[in-house]
Amino acid sequence: EPEVTQTPSHQVTQMGQEVILRCVPISNHLYFYWYRQILGQKVEFLVSFYNNEISEKSEIFDDQFSVERPDGSNFTLKIRSTKLEDSAMYFCASSVGNTGELFFGEGSRLTVL
Amino acid sequence: SQQGEEDPQALSIQEGENATMNCSYKTSINNLQWYRQNSGRGLVHLILIRSNEREKHSGRLRVTLDTSKKSSSLLITASRAADTASYFCATDAALQGAQKLVFGQGTRLTINP
Repeated sequence: EPEVTQTPSHQVTQMGQEVILRCVPISNHLYFYWYRQILGQKVEFLVSFYNNEISEKSEIFDDQFSVERPDGSNFTLKIRSTKLEDSAMYFCASSVGNTGELFFGEGSRLTVL
Repeated sequence: SQQGEEDPQALSIQEGENATMNCSYKTSINNLQWYRQNSGRGLVHLILIRSNEREKHSGRLRVTLDTSKKSSSLLITASRAADTASYFCATDAALQGAQKLVFGQGTRLTINP
């Protein structure tokens, strides 16, 4: 069964460092998303991406964040200069259309020290 | 309360019993979805109910939606130990473009063998 894959599963970084989280969405999906979940808190929307551009972004998704689809398969989230409060589980998701089921990856746990 | 609030926050029942979780939300929605998350894992889509639907079934799952009360319930019948997980409702209220899910805090369900 097709699935969304994410790497790395866990990354530890120093405050101020750049981090890139990678995702391979399901191949025939057209919409891509990043969500995050701080430990013990809600899953929060970060950004949606369609047709090679950002469709919508949340207030969390400030200038420190960027997304890219560098080729036909990968979808990346970059945090330019990490802060302690960026520590969270980051989930990539994809969907066929703009409504309906989202398929989530297993997540990348980011720990900022 | 914020969009997509579940109650109870935690529920512990015996295997074989039914589990009911509730979700309330504040704004108009296109659809409401329920997701399941095993500890430390990704979110798995369970069921989607559209704003013009009142009830939906999928296997042992039954979802209701009352748009006048802005609430939904998820019923799991004949629970199994493997149903132990956190359950989240998520509402999509995007006016256009890609959907933007707003998740609740979740209900942590424990099924005791």
